[in-house]
Amino acid sequence: DTGVSQNPRHKITKRGQNVTFRCDPISEHNRLYWYRQTLGQGPEFLTYFQNEAQLEKSRLLSDRFSAERPKGSFSTLEIQRTEQGDSAMYLCASSLGEAATDTQYFGPGTRLTVL
Amino acid sequence: LAKTTQPISMDSYEGQEVNITCSHNNIATNDYITWYQQFPSQGPRFIIQGYKTKVTNEVASLFIPADRKSSTLSLPRVSLSDTAVYYCLVGDNRGTYKYIFGTGTRLKVLA
Repeated sequence: DTGVSQNPRHKITKRGQNVTFRCDPISEHNRLYWYRQTLGQGPEFLTYFQNEAQLEKSRLLSDRFSAERPKGSFSTLEIQRTEQGDSAMYLCASSLGEAATDTQYFGPGTRLTVL
Repeated sequence: LAKTTQPISMDSYEGQEVNITCSHNNIATNDYITWYQQFPSQGPRFIIQGYKTKVTNEVASLFIPADRKSSTLSLPRVSLSDTAVYYCLVGDNRGTYKYIFGTGTRLKVLA
């Protein structure tokens, strides 16, 4: 399967710890997006990359959050000093490029639980 | 970015056709309409995308009237496995486009 993959699928951590998630997009997809989804709500945009450049960040992405895509391939999302409010599903998506019909394909997500 | 309005929930029975309508009154000229399906604890799955008139694929049809201020996702002969949340999104994938999800429509298919 050559879809978007995310690791780990589940992460349980204690408040104050740092966590890092990884996303591997579909091969040759230039754009990579991170979303966060809480129970009963639709996904909320966090940030996106065009190749290795981070082009937009939501105000939801506080200073404790950082995302990288060092070689324009996989991406990592790090949360420092986690808080219970960070508990959510973190979704990654990728798309081919900038054409109007380049839809986003989502990974299975990483479920974060902060105790 | 165009805001969308969908029914919060719908119930249907197996074998019926289900139509979910989405309202997007301020859709822009370059915006496309995209529908996703999401099962619990999974990422959204692309269903169908269109710009105007009618689009059909192996799983659904999308009907878009001439004024494009609404769209209807049609699922033929639903089964229990179609129970999911369905999201309607509008936007232009070019530029800095990002998806704005609403709360979606929770479809429950009953036996």
